[in-house]
Amino acid sequence: ETGVTQSPTHLIKTRGQQVTLRCSSQSGHNTVSWYQQALGQGPQFIFQYYREEENGRGNFPPRFSGLQFPNYSSELNVNALELDDSALYLCASSSPRSQETQYFGPGTRLLVL
Amino acid sequence: DQQVKQNSPSLSVQEGRISILNCDYTNSMFDYFLWYKKYPAEGPTFLISISSIKDKNEDGRFTVFLNKSAKHLSLHIVPSQPGDSAVYFCAASEGSARQLTFGSGTQLTVLP
Repeated sequence: ETGVTQSPTHLIKTRGQQVTLRCSSQSGHNTVSWYQQALGQGPQFIFQYYREEENGRGNFPPRFSGLQFPNYSSELNVNALELDDSALYLCASSSPRSQETQYFGPGTRLLVL
Repeated sequence: DQQVKQNSPSLSVQEGRISILNCDYTNSMFDYFLWYKKYPAEGPTFLISISSIKDKNEDGRFTVFLNKSAKHLSLHIVPSQPGDSAVYFCAASEGSARQLTFGSGTQLTVLP
């Protein structure tokens, strides 16, 4: 059984650019959530996708957007990057039978200069 | 406004002894609680969870206790092992989206 995978592992961008991060959910999981983890803090919920629709959103501006595909994989897009967007971006998936428990990927480390 | 708080940034314990990690929450709508372990350069790994209808859940060396009246939960690790050294996050969820609200983490160091 393959776990949650994310790409790329690291990324460096400059302020104002756009970035796309990718996530493949664990086998059998149909719900994907994205989190941002700043240094020294716990992960913060960005949004969740279920059946290709956004199913909940945290306190993040509209320049954070996402997609979910029919195979349940997902993308996180961030436009007009700001220095404070530098963080670890985590993707998590959960299964229909156990939606309460989310399983995380290794994350993408984004640095905005 | 932190809804989930881990007030101890760090904890050191001798190998073989008990580790107790604590977590407090303020949102009474939370109905499911989880503990995750995180090593550097890896994503959080799910450890153990508890529903708000229970007060205790055990899985091997890990036990989670929930005190709803005090809005407090704790993770007990017995016996502690050096491989348990990591950052431990407490998380809580509510509602249909089941979004997780995390604490800021506790760095556990198990000394050999």
